[in-house]
Amino acid sequence: GIQVEQSPPDLILQEGANSTLRCNFSDSVNNLQWFHQNPWGQLINLFYIPSGTKQNGRLSATTVATERYSLLYISSSQTTDSGVYFCAVVLTGGGNKLTFGTGTQLKVEL
Amino acid sequence: DVKVTQSSRYLVKRTGEKVFLECVQDMDHENMFWYRQDPGLGLRLIYFSYDVKMKEKGDIPEGYSVSREKKERFSLILESASTNQTSMYLCASSLYGGGSNYGYTFGSGTRLTVV
Repeated sequence: GIQVEQSPPDLILQEGANSTLRCNFSDSVNNLQWFHQNPWGQLINLFYIPSGTKQNGRLSATTVATERYSLLYISSSQTTDSGVYFCAVVLTGGGNKLTFGTGTQLKVEL
Repeated sequence: DVKVTQSSRYLVKRTGEKVFLECVQDMDHENMFWYRQDPGLGLRLIYFSYDVKMKEKGDIPEGYSVSREKKERFSLILESASTNQTSMYLCASSLYGGGSNYGYTFGSGTRLTVV
């Protein structure tokens, strides 16, 4: 099956710092999403981004489908950004089945 | 907003018990999914369903079954609970195919402990 690898696995930032999270995937995909899981376990969809670049406030994401990777940028980080960030993909021809990466655990400190 | 509601936030069951985890969505989504989440392994798909009475195995179906008698409800069944099924279980729903955004929405999870 498709492999989805995220890096780094863990990240600690000071409030106000910027960071880049990476997602590599092993096959062609027609759907890529980034999720944030807050400390209470709720998963929130951040971006649907199978290709190109999108921005939403302090967050932005870029997917280069031909090179099979996606990046999530967090600027001016805040303590509320803490949690786990997941990349998830749907294999081309794979229906609606999302395959998740193992996540990046982010902690933002004051 | 789509709501996906899981019936229990925390659950403790004994080894060998039959366990039912319930999930209900209120936006007429065709697709529903059950994942389990374990540290270091991310979310892994157990079963999913594209329609009423339809089910397909995900990546780790062993020891589980599902039921979808109504469009809005998708139940996960642990036929005989074992300690290695202690985990966080997450239900999700989405629109069926097409369009530019499948719009997955997740429930808040059920943390199951099997003792």
